[in-house]
Amino acid sequence: GAGVSQSPRYKVAKRGQDVALRCDPISGHVSLFWYQQALGQGPEFLTYFQNEAQLDKSGLPSDRFFAERPEGSVSTLKIQRTQQEDSAVYLCASSLRGSKGATPGKETQYFGPGTRLLVL
Amino acid sequence: QKEVEQDPGPLSVPEGAIVSLNCTYSNSAFQYFMWYRQYSRKGPELLMYTYSSGNKEDGRFTAQVDKSSKYISLFIRDSQPSDSATYLCAMNQAGTALIFGKGTTLSVSS
Repeated sequence: GAGVSQSPRYKVAKRGQDVALRCDPISGHVSLFWYQQALGQGPEFLTYFQNEAQLDKSGLPSDRFFAERPEGSVSTLKIQRTQQEDSAVYLCASSLRGSKGATPGKETQYFGPGTRLLVL
Repeated sequence: QKEVEQDPGPLSVPEGAIVSLNCTYSNSAFQYFMWYRQYSRKGPELLMYTYSSGNKEDGRFTAQVDKSSKYISLFIRDSQPSDSATYLCAMNQAGTALIFGKGTTLSVSS
């Protein structure tokens, strides 16, 4: 079946511009995660949704970062007044965590291709 | 000290070699352990998933978890040039975010 999709794949923004990154999770996956991956580093957690509820946003680096998942499916990560340090790959992942009757593998997260953001 | 430590390499091996990739961690509460493969400009792709201690084998790949030593390994047998990628270890407790290592870059030459 279809995996996690993200758009746009590449985004170039001028410093101070607002950007919106979209994530379409695997159909039926309850949980959705956003990660930020700097060059040469592993992904770092930003925020987590279970259905439409944002259960953890402890990884968001500043109040310029905002995420939503209003209908419990598609999610958008918005970055306001972008700064050069926001340049990174933004990854979205989904899992069955929180689904009733899910298998022991429900913690397994499946990743999208990422959005590569460059702030000039 | 980071919660998960992983040697970034790079690691270069000839085709057909056995590759050993490792991570250590500090949080004894971690229960779920995963290995992801990431090709350049792609998202991480799940390779192996293990719950708690033990071994798991899938084709040329074997994952090992030793919770007493807080040490996990991924072995790749008969390595191929197509295995050239960055390998990320990741782990978590139930209901928490994945914590990743830095990734090890592997190059397999033909």
